[in-house]
Amino acid sequence: DAGVIQSPRHEVTEMGQEVTLRCKPISGHNSLFWYRQTMMRGLELLIYFNNNVPIDDSGMPEDRFSAKMPNASFSTLKIQPSEPRDSAVYFCASETGVGDTQYFGPGTRLTVL
Amino acid sequence: QKEVEQNSGPLSVPEGAIASLNCTYSDRGSQSFFWYRQYSGKSPELIMFIYSNGDKEDGRFTAQLNKASQYVSLLIRDSQPSDSATYLCAVNTGGSQGNLIFGKGTKLSVKP
Repeated sequence: DAGVIQSPRHEVTEMGQEVTLRCKPISGHNSLFWYRQTMMRGLELLIYFNNNVPIDDSGMPEDRFSAKMPNASFSTLKIQPSEPRDSAVYFCASETGVGDTQYFGPGTRLTVL
Repeated sequence: QKEVEQNSGPLSVPEGAIASLNCTYSDRGSQSFFWYRQYSGKSPELIMFIYSNGDKEDGRFTAQLNKASQYVSLLIRDSQPSDSATYLCAVNTGGSQGNLIFGKGTKLSVKP
């Protein structure tokens, strides 16, 4: 079975540009999570969805960040406008149900110049 | 503020020794506990989970949970250089919230 799929794997952009990260969860998984990882702050939860509905977005840093899950097999995380401090690795993870084991995608390494 | 604390390391052990990784958490209502391993430049992968007080063994790995002390640990027996990675402790406080709270990880180095 395919694991969690993320694209792009690497993104380099200039400050002020819009960035869209994409995620395809494991088929049959009902929950999807977006994380950001930096050396300073570790792995931080940004937002998670259960059955395509956003449950907790308290980790979204500010209005520049938005996330959608239009169907069970696709989610996006958008940053507009991007800033250098957004540079990090962004992971998507999915799980079968609330409180179950989370499986991580390979991550997107974002660099904002 | 729910927190998960880990010693950042690095923890260095010789090959064949036992590596002991520790984690404390602040939410007494936490119900499930996970250990993830993350190699440099890779994504976290689950090693073990534990729900009940006591020990849980899986091959060379043993997870230990003490809810009274709000403490969870991971022991790696017969450590191998391939075990060199960052180990992340994650806690789920249960209820309707499905999110995990991660510690910042302990970097383990196993020297040949």
